[in-house]
Amino acid sequence: GNSVTQMEGPVTLSEEAFLTINCTYTATGYPSLFWYVQYPGEGLQLLLKATKADDKGSNKGFEATYRKETTSFHLEKGSVQVSDSAVYFCALSDNTGNQFYFGTGTSLTVIP
Amino acid sequence: GAGVSQTPSNKVTEKGKYVELRCDPISGHTALYWYRQSLGQGPEFLIYFQGTGAADDSGLPNDRFFAVRPEGSVSTLKIQRTERGDSAVYLCASSLNPDQETQYFGPGTRLLVL
Repeated sequence: GNSVTQMEGPVTLSEEAFLTINCTYTATGYPSLFWYVQYPGEGLQLLLKATKADDKGSNKGFEATYRKETTSFHLEKGSVQVSDSAVYFCALSDNTGNQFYFGTGTSLTVIP
Repeated sequence: GAGVSQTPSNKVTEKGKYVELRCDPISGHTALYWYRQSLGQGPEFLIYFQGTGAADDSGLPNDRFFAVRPEGSVSTLKIQRTERGDSAVYLCASSLNPDQETQYFGPGTRLLVL
């Protein structure tokens, strides 16, 4: 079956620190992979995506590379800001596109 | 352009009551999805519509849950005989088509069953 395993939080970092949030997946076929972000009091927003192996998604300084050999899609940012404080969800969409499978979310707090 | 909207934003009801949650997708999006997000968890799939028909309802937890999309746009999630365990945030998403397109999420309806 399809599933996503995500690094548990919460994660607390100082401003300008390096961020990694691990995500691994199990899927049949060739899924697309996504990172969604949920800021306090807001709905889920797409942060970045990758649709095939070795693709790199990037947005707002965040990056993630679709690694088929390690079934991973780790989220990274070189220098986090206070405004990056949010909950981050890794997700996959299977071949059918019928549904997304989400990880449990990782809460990030960035302190000045 | 407007995003996905959901009403009400919050709903408090008593155990055993019936509730309806509404989703208005992005105009032109043919695919519509309902998810349920419990506290501290990721969203869990409930049902997916392609046009007016429910293409996949495998995520509905039991027959108290039902959803419709009669004209292929607005959708209503209906929960009968609510239970305390139904308390969660109900999320709606839409996409232009279901072929691995990005899903755009609404703000959710927070349901509390007392």
